[in-house]
Amino acid sequence: QVQLVESGGGVVQPGGSLRLSCGTSGFTFSRYDMHWVRQAPGKGLEWVADITFDGSDEFYPDSVKGRFAISRDNSRNTLYLQMNSLRVEDTAVYYCARGGVDFWGQGTLVTVSS
Amino acid sequence: EIVMTQTPLSSLVNIGQPASISCRSSESLADRDGNTYLSWLHQRPGQPPRLLIYKVSYRFSGVPDRFSGSGAGTDFTLKISRVEAEDVGVYYCMQSTQLNTFGQGTKLEIK
Repeated sequence: QVQLVESGGGVVQPGGSLRLSCGTSGFTFSRYDMHWVRQAPGKGLEWVADITFDGSDEFYPDSVKGRFAISRDNSRNTLYLQMNSLRVEDTAVYYCARGGVDFWGQGTLVTVSS
Repeated sequence: EIVMTQTPLSSLVNIGQPASISCRSSESLADRDGNTYLSWLHQRPGQPPRLLIYKVSYRFSGVPDRFSGSGAGTDFTLKISRVEAEDVGVYYCMQSTQLNTFGQGTKLEIK
């Protein structure tokens, strides 16, 4: 069955960096675009980044553009999110989702606090 | 950026009664490829979202047929024909025609 498992969350100071990973199984990872979506505590869903199936294109909303970078390793069936210059408002549960948002991981919590 | 606006933001419904959620986009979601990339997701407390409906009206695998989606252009609706206890949670519309944007969410509770 399709599985997505996020890891790498934790507590980081403002201005710091963190790298999230999303390990996948149960489907041909290299055939799918992938997403990162976040949810601040008690708030709604916010799209964070997209990457095409082959890694040739990346897309970001203005809120994270220039600070976050999505990447993938199709040989390892793994998706990544490099987060730099973190701000308090980046505190959220970060989910990875398969293209079409048909399958989601359980999420990993990122807390940005001094 | 396409803005997605959901109404109502909360809904109190009796079990067995219908429920309806509206979603309006600031621009048409009709893509040049002929598809309209509007999805509906459901999130229970403490759980990740799960996909219910994609491309306006297609039910995802395993989704009960009491859920239906309709609409075109900028106006879309999710309907639950008979609400069950397991339907509580927050419902989101999401557009993927131009990047991605979510609606604010609609909280469904049982009376």
